[in-house]
Amino acid sequence: DAGVTQSPTHLIKTRGQHVTLRCSPISGHKSVSWYQQVLGQGPQFIFQYYEKEERGRGNFPDRFSARQFPNYSSELNVNALLLGDSALYLCASSRAGQGSYEQYFGPGTRLTVT
Amino acid sequence: AQSVTQPDIHITVSEGASLELRCNYSYGATPYLFWYVQSPGQGLQLLLKYFSGDTLVQGIKGFEAEFKRSQSSFNLRKPSVHWSDAAEYFCAVGRGSGGYQKVTFGTGTKLQVIP
Repeated sequence: DAGVTQSPTHLIKTRGQHVTLRCSPISGHKSVSWYQQVLGQGPQFIFQYYEKEERGRGNFPDRFSARQFPNYSSELNVNALLLGDSALYLCASSRAGQGSYEQYFGPGTRLTVT
Repeated sequence: AQSVTQPDIHITVSEGASLELRCNYSYGATPYLFWYVQSPGQGLQLLLKYFSGDTLVQGIKGFEAEFKRSQSSFNLRKPSVHWSDAAEYFCAVGRGSGGYQKVTFGTGTKLQVIP
């Protein structure tokens, strides 16, 4: 079975621009979570979605938004990019809501804001 | 609020030596506990997990961890380290109910293995 996939792998954007990151969960997983990992730190929780509804949100500004599609894939959108948004963005899927809370992570998208 | 502390930012061990990485958590009830490993530029790989039951859990790659409620700890151990174990290790605490879950990660411990 394929693991969690994310696209693109790397992305370079300019301050003020908008970015969309994509994630496909493991087949059968209905929950997707997004994390931001700044260099040298642990992942920080951004959002969790289950059955196309937002179930959790971390302490991030409204410039960050996400959605989940009927096929359980997900997009993370960031508007008005700041230099501080440069990070590795990780997506994780799980069977939350189906009896299991183990999260499996994708390889991440490395976003550089210049 | 849940939180995780990994007191050691960087640890160096000799190949073949034993390893223990420390993790302390703060959570009001019995938490879900995880250890993940991350190689440079890569995503996170789940090493092991604790949800309930036996407090000594076995994971992949020869790792184990022990949940100690009285000490709010979940330390990771390996009896003999291999050079390929060099990576960053993250402890995490989670909670979940129904379709909701939230996982909080520690700041990580970078492991260096010397010959």
